Amino acid sequence: QVQLVQSGAEVKKPGASVKVSCKASGYMFTSYGISWVRQAPGQGLEWMGWISGYKGNTKYAQRFQGRVTMTTDTSTSTTYMELRSLRSDDTAVYYCARGDDYGDHVEAFDIWGHGTMVTVSS
Amino acid sequence: QSVLTQPPSASGTPGQRVTISCSGSSSNIGSNSVNWYQQLPGTAPKLLIYINSQRPSGVPDRFSGSKSGTSASLAISGLQSEDEADYYCAAWDDSLNGRYVFGTGTKVTVL
Repeated sequence: QVQLVQSGAEVKKPGASVKVSCKASGYMFTSYGISWVRQAPGQGLEWMGWISGYKGNTKYAQRFQGRVTMTTDTSTSTTYMELRSLRSDDTAVYYCARGDDYGDHVEAFDIWGHGTMVTVSS
Repeated sequence: QSVLTQPPSASGTPGQRVTISCSGSSSNIGSNSVNWYQQLPGTAPKLLIYINSQRPSGVPDRFSGSKSGTSASLAISGLQSEDEADYYCAAWDDSLNGRYVFGTGTKVTVL
């Protein structure tokens, strides 16, 4: 079936980097894009950015520009999200989510990964 | 820093109708489609409504969405205990070089 499987929980120190993976299966990877959405404990949802599964072009939320990099490996249908210079307020569950590839914007996310807990603590 | 405003909570007894509002602006709801997500405790969000009022396959017709101007709403009719969850509206926002924004979220409690 169509699914997104994410990598396991991570514990990082402030200033470090984390790279979370999201492996797609059950659909044509290059026909869709993947967004990353995070949720801090007890808080709401926050969109971080998007990457095209076809061309690999990206669009990042302004507040993460310069600190986040999203990449894809079409040979394994896997998307990666790397966040650098981690701070304690980056502690959150990070979700990948599938959406149609419109090229310059995103709409609805119909398939979500199970989430990856990233804890930033000294 | 959510730019879409929702009431923090809503409640109803089984069988009742509950409505959740989502208030935005001309740069998001006023010019783009609204989507709604349901998040059950401890789980990933699930798409409930897309393009303002469309239901994905498998979503009960008890859930309906609408949009007018810079506001949108989600209605749950025939409320059931399994509807107890957090609900988020979302839309593309054309400001700040473009971004996808979520609402503040509404916790629905079934009394």
